[in-house]
Amino acid sequence: LAKITQPISMDSYEGQEVNITCSHNNIATNDYITWYQQFPSQGPRFIIQGYKTKVTNEVASLFIPADRKSSTLSLPRVSLSDTAVYYCLVGKAAGNKLTFGGGTRVLVKP
Amino acid sequence: DTGVSQNPRHKITKRGQNVTFRCDPISEHNRLYWYRQTLGQGPEFLTYFQNEAQLEKSRLLSDRFSAERPKGSFSTLEIQRTEQGDSAMYLCASRDREAGETQYFGPGTRLLVL
Repeated sequence: LAKITQPISMDSYEGQEVNITCSHNNIATNDYITWYQQFPSQGPRFIIQGYKTKVTNEVASLFIPADRKSSTLSLPRVSLSDTAVYYCLVGKAAGNKLTFGGGTRVLVKP
Repeated sequence: DTGVSQNPRHKITKRGQNVTFRCDPISEHNRLYWYRQTLGQGPEFLTYFQNEAQLEKSRLLSDRFSAERPKGSFSTLEIQRTEQGDSAMYLCASRDREAGETQYFGPGTRLLVL
């Protein structure tokens, strides 16, 4: 299993861009990088998944350098409702046993 | 069908009692997963089903825990002789068979054992 390191918490302000970097030095060749978002008292919600380079959807962008030993989730122009815990996961694209770490608690302030 | 549903959303019980939780996955999702999440931690995998077959169980799933998915649709998770350490959020997720599909989580059942 790839060892994952991400910041415990981050503060930001409304309208700013938030970048969360995840380190996964021993990522395997066939591993994907997936990010989930979780609000209090709710289940995690899939945000984005990528293998290399850059992936963008309506919610976020995911930047993955060529060596794939890290990745950065970018949330553009955050609002108060983006306050949540963000989890970086590394594994099969459609794995059966998701392995969550401690996540990054993002607090968006007015 | 708007997503994975779980019932009840909250359960308070006394130590030693049995509890049962239900999960209704997204229609036609053949894979169903159970996770447990304690305060301040990420979810931990417990078990998963492909249709009605339970294919993998975590070592976290002690003998007091049992999960079923009798008809390959909804699933139940039962905890017998509950202990205070069982207090947690129990999350259910489902996934379609198609490659690349992610897991969709329900809102969870929060269990408090007194």
